[in-house]
Amino acid sequence: NAGVTQTPKFQVLKTGQSMTLQCAQDMNHEYMSWYRQDPGMGLRLIHYSVGAGITDQGEVPNGYNVSRSTTEDFPLRLLSAAPSQTSVYFCASSRAGEVRGSPLHFGNGTRLTVT
Amino acid sequence: SQQGEEDPQALSIQEGENATMNCSYKTSINNLQWYRQNSGRGLVHLILIRSNEREKHSGRLRVTLDTSKKSSSLLITASRAADTASYFCATDGRGNQFYFGTGTSLTVIP
Repeated sequence: NAGVTQTPKFQVLKTGQSMTLQCAQDMNHEYMSWYRQDPGMGLRLIHYSVGAGITDQGEVPNGYNVSRSTTEDFPLRLLSAAPSQTSVYFCASSRAGEVRGSPLHFGNGTRLTVT
Repeated sequence: SQQGEEDPQALSIQEGENATMNCSYKTSINNLQWYRQNSGRGLVHLILIRSNEREKHSGRLRVTLDTSKKSSSLLITASRAADTASYFCATDGRGNQFYFGTGTSLTVIP
């Protein structure tokens, strides 16, 4: 049982490049989300999904796209990377139905540097 | 922002002592959760307390919630070196969003 798996673990991009951060979970969780973690800022929600085909914006969605074609996968796309997107990105999932009362399960993060 | 804030930002104690960290939040909630993050890893869920609960225990963890003051505290008793980590509170907000605080960095000295 792998839980939430994020790839890659580390990535360096140049300004303007694009990339996709991958997230997969094997717990059949309907709720999935992406956070970024910056020093002194805690974790901030980027986008989330309550099921396949449904996505919504969080606190800091600008510069990021998501899609949810399957229950298992929730990729995060950076279309044109900027230095301000240098951060550690975490994917998290949870059961649906009582999403507010359910714990989030986190991956181990992707550390992204944009130069 | 609906983000909570933990206090203190950093805490250093001797092994065996108790550690207390506090969380304040801004809006009404249904639940409040505490998470731990070891260096270089993702967050791990510790405990959830519902808005109609005032206190909850799990092993060496004790969480209190005061909805009138919009605050919560996490007490770790008889701390161990392995408790060294950052601790975050998270509150539920609009829709299906969770809001995390800025964290307390706990160092337990052997």
